Amino acid sequence: EAAVTQSPRNKVAVTGGKVTLSCNQTNNHNNMYWYRQDTGHGLRLIHYSYGAGSTEKGDIPDGYKASRPSQENFSLILELATPSQTSVYFCASGAGQGEVFFGKGTRLTVV
Amino acid sequence: GDSVTQTEGLVTLTEGLPVMLNCTYQTAYSTFLFWYVQHLNEAPKLLLKSSTDNKRTEHQGFHATLHKSSSSFHLQKSSAQLSDSALYYCALRASSGSWQLIFGSGTQLTVMP
Repeated sequence: EAAVTQSPRNKVAVTGGKVTLSCNQTNNHNNMYWYRQDTGHGLRLIHYSYGAGSTEKGDIPDGYKASRPSQENFSLILELATPSQTSVYFCASGAGQGEVFFGKGTRLTVV
Repeated sequence: GDSVTQTEGLVTLTEGLPVMLNCTYQTAYSTFLFWYVQHLNEAPKLLLKSSTDNKRTEHQGFHATLHKSSSSFHLQKSSAQLSDSALYYCALRASSGSWQLIFGSGTQLTVMP
């Protein structure tokens, strides 16, 4: 079974603070993704990556940065967190045209 | 750009009745279509996938057929079970050189006894 691990699982941050969400995959997949999930909007793509050193903007990249320092790790960075970024964030990995495998999600609350 | 539309946000039905969840899509490229299922407090998991026009694909009692002529990939099941209650996402991967996976807004299926 493909393994994608997210940390932390829950996070409370203050407005204006910096938040880093981490994701690690042991599947040796080239592609990794960050989504946020909000009721009524489904899963929206924030950033994705084709491999170590690459990051690409998804549909809603504003206010987010991403970093892929290695094949296994993909981080999502909120430099100045805002309450509108309160959401559940999912990391996923995939290879080519196959399915993607999701982590268990991180619930972020910005107060 | 590419997009996926799921018209029903919420579907409630009685156990034993058939299920049909709608999915239509837009893309200029050849496609892979997916259905993902997410149970409460869990991660989304793949339920079905297809890239072949007019071929029925089945898994865990659910089935779907990709119809490129109508840009549709509806999810069906002949008889709903209580355990089918979950959030269902239709997703599109367009082979445009990008491996983005674009999701619809999701359909929450609730099966009542």
